[in-house]
Amino acid sequence: EVQVVESGGGLVKPGGSLRLSCVASGFIFSDAWMTWVRQAPGRGLEWVGRIRSKADDETTDYAAPVKGRFTISRDDSRNTLFLHMNSLKAEDTAVYFCATVRGGRYLFALDYWGQGTLVTVSS
Amino acid sequence: DIQMTQSPSFLSASVGDRVTITCRASQSITNYLNWYQQKSGKAPTLLIYAASTLQSGVPSRFSGSGSGTDFTLTVSSLQPEDFATYYCQQSYSTPRTFGQGTKVEIK
Repeated sequence: EVQVVESGGGLVKPGGSLRLSCVASGFIFSDAWMTWVRQAPGRGLEWVGRIRSKADDETTDYAAPVKGRFTISRDDSRNTLFLHMNSLKAEDTAVYFCATVRGGRYLFALDYWGQGTLVTVSS
Repeated sequence: DIQMTQSPSFLSASVGDRVTITCRASQSITNYLNWYQQKSGKAPTLLIYAASTLQSGVPSRFSGSGSGTDFTLTVSSLQPEDFATYYCQQSYSTPRTFGQGTKVEIK
């Protein structure tokens, strides 16, 4: 059974930093592309960024609002995805979801999602 | 960036109704279009990928169609468990943008 479980959320002051983790199981994590999606309170889904597999050079892409402040990385030995968030702003307050990116005939759909972890940026 | 526009934003319907949600992309995305369902307080789940392919385990009352810039999600007979918010998402190019969502509520 595929599982992805996020952790690391919490309350942080504006300008602060936080690192989110996402532990995966039930599939070959090292082969998977992974993504982060966030959802501000009462709002819709917003794509944050994606990391490809090591075989695809672990290249990353980011949404404009987070580019230069957020970094996605992975540790395949621990089946873990990370989201390093710096220079946090109030508008980064959201539930952050990690999800698996399915290639092939799935055309990069997000097929498994974690339950999310809440990040609150407030003084 | 590709903009995704869903309509309507809000839909009130009864059990048994046929419901259609539309999603329009600002440029052609061929069939790189996915639909997700999100129930209150829960993570989204994948309903349909590649515009029209039902994800495993999703009831056959859900269907998707379209290509290029115009897409639809149809629920042939709305069930109580279908009241939720639905999002389209393009996976053609980065950033992988979502539509703003369509909330389906009980009439």
